Amino acid sequence: DAGITQSPRHKVTETGTPVTLRCHQTENHRYMYWYRQDPGHGLRLIHYSYGVKDTDKGEVSDGYSVSRSKTEDFLLTLESATSSQTSVYFCAISESWETFLRGDFGPGTRLTVT
Amino acid sequence: AQTVTQSQPEMSVQEAETVTLSCTYDTSESDYYLFWYKQPPSRQMILVIRQEAYKQQNATENRFSVNFQKAAKSFSLKISDSQLGDAAMYFCATAGGNQGGKLIFGQGTELSVKP
Repeated sequence: DAGITQSPRHKVTETGTPVTLRCHQTENHRYMYWYRQDPGHGLRLIHYSYGVKDTDKGEVSDGYSVSRSKTEDFLLTLESATSSQTSVYFCAISESWETFLRGDFGPGTRLTVT
Repeated sequence: AQTVTQSQPEMSVQEAETVTLSCTYDTSESDYYLFWYKQPPSRQMILVIRQEAYKQQNATENRFSVNFQKAAKSFSLKISDSQLGDAAMYFCATAGGNQGGKLIFGQGTELSVKP
């Protein structure tokens, strides 16, 4: 399995508080992605990174920001959490199409905003 | 824009039987890939099978095979000799050839396997 970890694995927070989720990889892959999973929607891309300090928005980026200061870490921040951001968050990595085709996803983080 | 539709929220199959999960997609990309992912109760996303759209031959991976109909924009997954461990949520997904891991997922089909 690819070396991808996510922390925390579970978090409960209150509306209006800031939250940061961390994705850490040991594969030295260039590309990293954050997805959210909600019932009836499958997974949807929030943000992605194509290198250190290089990031771009996905289809559901409102209310989220990201940062990537090192190759191995990709942080997802909810500046002021809302109940609509209750979800399961997945990180994914790839170096190229060939490596992504293994389907390298992290284990997921379940976030509950009360 | 790309969209993926899985019209079967739930499916059920008897152990050792064959089941087919449906997926239709729409894309403006000329070069794209199609995927089926399995998500068991552990939540881990597991790649089951992939298909490069430029290849006419249907992909197979052990008991898993696809029926890729490019003109109809259909990409169904066939699971043969179903096993209890096949019970999971299955997601169909697509991505443009120049867009790396920017996957677009369908809503998912929950497959149950009866002993």
